[in-house]
Parts: sequence; structure tokens; C-alpha cells
Amino acid sequence: QKEVEQDPGPLSVPEGAIVSLNCTYSNSAFQYFMWYRQYSRKGPELLMYTYSSGNKEDGRFTAQVDKSSKYISLFIRDSQPSDSATYLCAMMGFQAGTALIFGKGTTLSVSS
Amino acid sequence: DVKVTQSSRYLVKRTGEKVFLECVQDMDHENMFWYRQDPGLGLRLIYFSYDVKMKEKGDIPEGYSVSREKKERFSLILESASTNQTSMYLCASSPPGNSNQPQHFGDGTRLSIL
Repeated sequence: QKEVEQDPGPLSVPEGAIVSLNCTYSNSAFQYFMWYRQYSRKGPELLMYTYSSGNKEDGRFTAQVDKSSKYISLFIRDSQPSDSATYLCAMMGFQAGTALIFGKGTTLSVSS
Repeated sequence: DVKVTQSSRYLVKRTGEKVFLECVQDMDHENMFWYRQDPGLGLRLIYFSYDVKMKEKGDIPEGYSVSREKKERFSLILESASTNQTSMYLCASSPPGNSNQPQHFGDGTRLSIL
């Protein structure tokens, strides 16, 4: 079983839709969870960063962590064409300086 | 804002050449990382460094080496480039382990080996 599983998509939605992106993981030692957004031909950009279980909201974005189920989600409300990108989940253990473990990314396309 | 700068956005080299990819960060971060990103395989860690002159192998170090002579600069070296090293290379940096901060990435170098 891979450490982090993420559906690659592609996921196509109309403008204004609510988008749900998900990752599952197997290592219960993961404590820190991130979502990165990557536009074509650019590097990953940090979008959300959470510690342990719970929700975190930032504008139209909500990150949710359920450690009991080993499941994390990113919700995008009122999706815009500018949200079209690849979204990567990432996680790491207690010592934050260690390398991240990434999902393979979900490609999202929002049409106007 | 954290700035991680990779010296080249696009690079074309020939097989057998020695290739240097440079990365500089301006936030005085202790940790620096090199990844490669390939379609269907995601990001894979090549090498990382916790401090000047320190290096640790990642998941796929074969065919690569690194150099960290100064805190702000981390170089990836392809000793003898091969076509299977054609890829997108990403550099990242982060503060030390006890600060619990995530990594920040540069915009990548798209390397083609002919």
C-alpha cells in the first residue's frame, strides 16, 4: 500500500461549483498536513497547512483532517477558472524538517 | 515572503555531460531539498540537506550528487547525464525541524537530456 493515495483526476467542474479533493494515507505518525497548488510550468505553492485533526478555513478554501480515518480533504467554494491547477496533498511526521510525503496530485479544471 | 530561486527555467544538455542545477533561498532556512517531478510518478526526493556541508540521500539519489557550501545555496549535480534524467527538478527550503514549518518551492528547472 502506498503511503499517500490521491486520485489523479482529471476533475472538471463548472464555475461556481464546490470542489472536494481528497487524500488517504497509511502512516499514523503523520502530524502535519499540507495542500499545495501547482499551475502549469510552475513550482508548487503552499495553499493550506494544518496540524493534527480538525478544520482550517482561508477564504474560499477549507482544509479538513480526520486522523482517525487517515483522510484529508480540501474544499474549494465558489470555484473559479483561476483555480484550474494541480493540487498536491503532502504530509510529514513530528519533526517538521523531514522531507514531505506527497500525493501524486489531482488535476482540476474549472470552466467558465 | 519566502523566495526560492532556481537559476534556470529550461535547460537542454547532452548525454554524458556533467550538469549543475543551482538553487538559492533568501530566508536563512536550514533545510533544503531537491525533488524531481514526472508525470504519473509525482514528486520524488533526490537529496536533502539540514545544514551547510551536510547531505542526506532521498528516495532516488542514484546518478546525482549535491553540494551545500553556503547556507543559502544548494546545488544538484548530474555526474553523467542520461536521457532518463529528463524531468522537472524542484528545489525547496524550510526552517529547522523544531519550527514545524512547511517547505517552500522554487519554480523548477525543466531539464531535457538529448
